[in-house]
Amino acid sequence: EIVMTQSPATLSVSPGERATLSCRASQSVGSNLAWYQQKPGQAPRLLISGASTRATGIPARFSGSGSGTDFTLTISSLQSEDFAVYYCQQYNNWPPMYTFGQGTKLEIK
Amino acid sequence: EVQLVESGGGLVKPGGSLRLSCAASGITFSSAWMSWVRQAPGKGLEWVGRILSKAGGGTTDYAAPVKGRFTISRDDSQNMVFLQMNSLGTEDTAVYYCITHGTETTFDLWGQGNMVTVSS
Repeated sequence: EIVMTQSPATLSVSPGERATLSCRASQSVGSNLAWYQQKPGQAPRLLISGASTRATGIPARFSGSGSGTDFTLTISSLQSEDFAVYYCQQYNNWPPMYTFGQGTKLEIK
Repeated sequence: EVQLVESGGGLVKPGGSLRLSCAASGITFSSAWMSWVRQAPGKGLEWVGRILSKAGGGTTDYAAPVKGRFTISRDDSQNMVFLQMNSLGTEDTAVYYCITHGTETTFDLWGQGNMVTVSS
């Protein structure tokens, strides 16, 4: 089973600054990596698929990079609405399995 | 409007059963792959299982913790997907989300979530 590890667990950043979130896979997942944002009391929302492709309606300040085992989600110039928990997720096609990281909480500094 | 609406959650005793339903609208449901993901209180996200479209074979796949206890089915005539949960344990207490796949690898549209509490 592929294990996804996100770091840090909590990230404190001031509005207007840049946030960099990391996700590491225990073995290569190619580009089968997605990022989700979850706000309190809400369902998660897809931000990034294929490691670097923004989902429909996602602002350009969100960007994803990486391949293989190391991935990064960057949020440039943080807005108040960006403070949330972020999850990475990988897909393995045999046996079919979707695995999430444990999440990074992005909080206001 | 594109949306998924779950129903059927609630309180159930350990060893009991529960069936969740998810009604889809605004999408071509018959061609959609559907998954269920759950989130225990204060915890992260865990994939439960998926069902492919009939064109994709209609097959189901499950995560190890629920295999043999949970069953996913679909009714394309009603644009609905179901999660039958048997032999429930306290570890199954979670919010259960119904989700459509945009691609094989990602979860694009999420329902609002439905709480299932397993407790005596």
